[in-house]
Amino acid sequence: QKEVEQNSGPLSVPEGAIASLNCTYSDRGSQSFFWYRQYSGKSPELIMFIYSNGDKEDGRFTAQLNKASQYVSLLIRDSQPSDSATYLCAAGGADGLTFGKGTHLIIQP
Amino acid sequence: KAGVTQTPRYLIKTRGQQVTLSCSPISGHRSVSWYQQTPGQGLQFLFEYFSETQRNKGNFPGRFSGRQFSNSRSEMNVSTLELGDSALYLCASSALAGGPGNEQFFGPGTRLTVL
Repeated sequence: QKEVEQNSGPLSVPEGAIASLNCTYSDRGSQSFFWYRQYSGKSPELIMFIYSNGDKEDGRFTAQLNKASQYVSLLIRDSQPSDSATYLCAAGGADGLTFGKGTHLIIQP
Repeated sequence: KAGVTQTPRYLIKTRGQQVTLSCSPISGHRSVSWYQQTPGQGLQFLFEYFSETQRNKGNFPGRFSGRQFSNSRSEMNVSTLELGDSALYLCASSALAGGPGNEQFFGPGTRLTVL
């Protein structure tokens, strides 16, 4: 069974610091990886996706993928209180997306 | 461009009843996926439709079914509701089905409560 593992947290980070979120996946056939942000009571919102090994940057967000280690991470620079949310990692293949249970991130002012 | 819409947003049913949820994807998107989200289990995949055909199905009982229409709108049906079916049901649309490029965009969800 395909699995995506994330530390549930909460992960507490001071405002202005770098928040580092990690996930591992079990299916080596996964081809695409996604990070979603979900505020309490809201639906998931796509932040970034990455397909190739290495880093991908988008504003304050950087996604990192290491297929050999089956590891995906999301870095949030200059963390803001508005970044406080649950972050979901998902691995995708031909048969759809498998989600982790999410990491609860708290940015402390 | 309008986002994914889901109706109704909230629903209260009693055990044994059935329910139908609706999802309209982003214009031009042909793939619709359905998920169930609960606090304990997280986001669990129900099924995916692409061009009116079910491409993938998650590990849910046959009480959960769906379909997609020629305009890409999709419906999900749950028959003989159980208390454990109480959840947030999310629909996600994507332009493609599977593989790179299948970024999924979620609708606001339907909150189903079974009493």
